[in-house]
Amino acid sequence: NAGVTQTPKFQVLKTGQSMTLQCAQDMNHNSMYWYRQDPGMGLRLIYYSASEGTTDKGEVPNGYNVSRLNKREFSLRLESAAPSQTSVYFCASSDPGQITDSSYNSPLHFGNGTRLTVT
Amino acid sequence: AQSVAQPEDQVNVAEGNPLTVKCTYSVSGNPYLFWYVQYPNRGLQFLLKYITGDNLVKGSYGFEAEFNKSQTSFHLKKPSALVSDSALYFCAVLSYGNNRLAFGKGNQVVVIP
Repeated sequence: NAGVTQTPKFQVLKTGQSMTLQCAQDMNHNSMYWYRQDPGMGLRLIYYSASEGTTDKGEVPNGYNVSRLNKREFSLRLESAAPSQTSVYFCASSDPGQITDSSYNSPLHFGNGTRLTVT
Repeated sequence: AQSVAQPEDQVNVAEGNPLTVKCTYSVSGNPYLFWYVQYPNRGLQFLLKYITGDNLVKGSYGFEAEFNKSQTSFHLKKPSALVSDSALYFCAVLSYGNNRLAFGKGNQVVVIP
């Protein structure tokens, strides 16, 4: 199984440009998440989707939009990129029923990240 | 609200010595606690979790963590550190009925040969 796949791996944008980060999972998970990782700040939740057809804001949603295209795919869009959005972005998925079930290990499965630089 | 504190930015330890990475949490109700590790240019990998039961939890790669309710802590430990344990470690918490994990800022562990 591929798990959680993110594309692209690297991207450089100029201020004001737009782009979409893609994420797909093949584990039939209901929930999907977008995090950003910045030095000294850990992982902060941007948006999440508890199930197909629903999305909700996390801690730092400003400047981003998301689309839960189907159960497998959850994309993150930057409409007008800003230097403050320079970060590493991680997509993750989970099955909420598994998070606290001792029969399962990881509550979240992460992709390998997209390193975005906005100049 | 749920939150996690990892008070140290970096932990340096000599190879073969015990390794401890500290984590304290704040949550309403019973906590569910997790440790993840991140190697360079990779996503986070699960190490272990505490849901209920024994306060000492054993996980991958020889790591263990002790849940202490009175001190609201969940410190990660390894009896004998390896150079390959050098990585970024994240503590995370969620509360019952909530499926969004709150992560700490992470601790860089450097194991010195």
